[in-house]
Amino acid sequence: EAGVTQFPSHSVIEKGQTVTLRCDPISGHDNLYWYRRVMGKEIKFLLHFVKESKQDESGMPNNRFLAERTGGTYSTLKVQPAELEDSGVYFCASSQAEKLFFGSGTQLSVL
Amino acid sequence: GENVEQHPSTLSVQEGDSAVIKCTYSDSASNYFPWYKQELGKGPQLIIDIRSNVGEKKDQRIAVTLNKTAKHFSLHITETQPEDSAVYFCAAKTGTDSWGKLQFGAGTQVVVTP
Repeated sequence: EAGVTQFPSHSVIEKGQTVTLRCDPISGHDNLYWYRRVMGKEIKFLLHFVKESKQDESGMPNNRFLAERTGGTYSTLKVQPAELEDSGVYFCASSQAEKLFFGSGTQLSVL
Repeated sequence: GENVEQHPSTLSVQEGDSAVIKCTYSDSASNYFPWYKQELGKGPQLIIDIRSNVGEKKDQRIAVTLNKTAKHFSLHITETQPEDSAVYFCAAKTGTDSWGKLQFGAGTQVVVTP
């Protein structure tokens, strides 16, 4: 069974540019989550999809972040325009119940 | 909202010794406490979890204890091996949140030296 796949694994961009992260959840998992870990701190919840619907987006930092999950399959997280403080590791996770399966993350560096 | 504190931030142990990581939480409504292990280059992986109606759970060399009165929970690893070296995260979920909306601690870097 394929796990949660994230692309790209690393991204280096300049302040003001746009970056789009992609997550392919485990097939059949209705729940998809985005998390972020900044500079060795805690992993912070960003948002939760149930199929194609946003169930909870209370953790999204601001309106520069846009998440989509068209068709209820893969999801994208776009940051536009990127700021220095957006640097960190972005994790995607999927689940059918309480156990979350995480991807390897995207390391985003904004210079 | 929920706040989870995790200690220590780094832990170095000799192979064969035990390792203990402690977490405290603030929201008495929290009811689910998973522990994740993150190895280098990989995402966090669930290793054990406990619900608020249970005081202790064990799985081979790892165990988790929960003290609801004091609002803290701990991970115990016995007979540590080099492959136990990783970053460990505790987490908590409040009763009203979805299963996947977790509040994580800042992580503990565990190094097991042969």
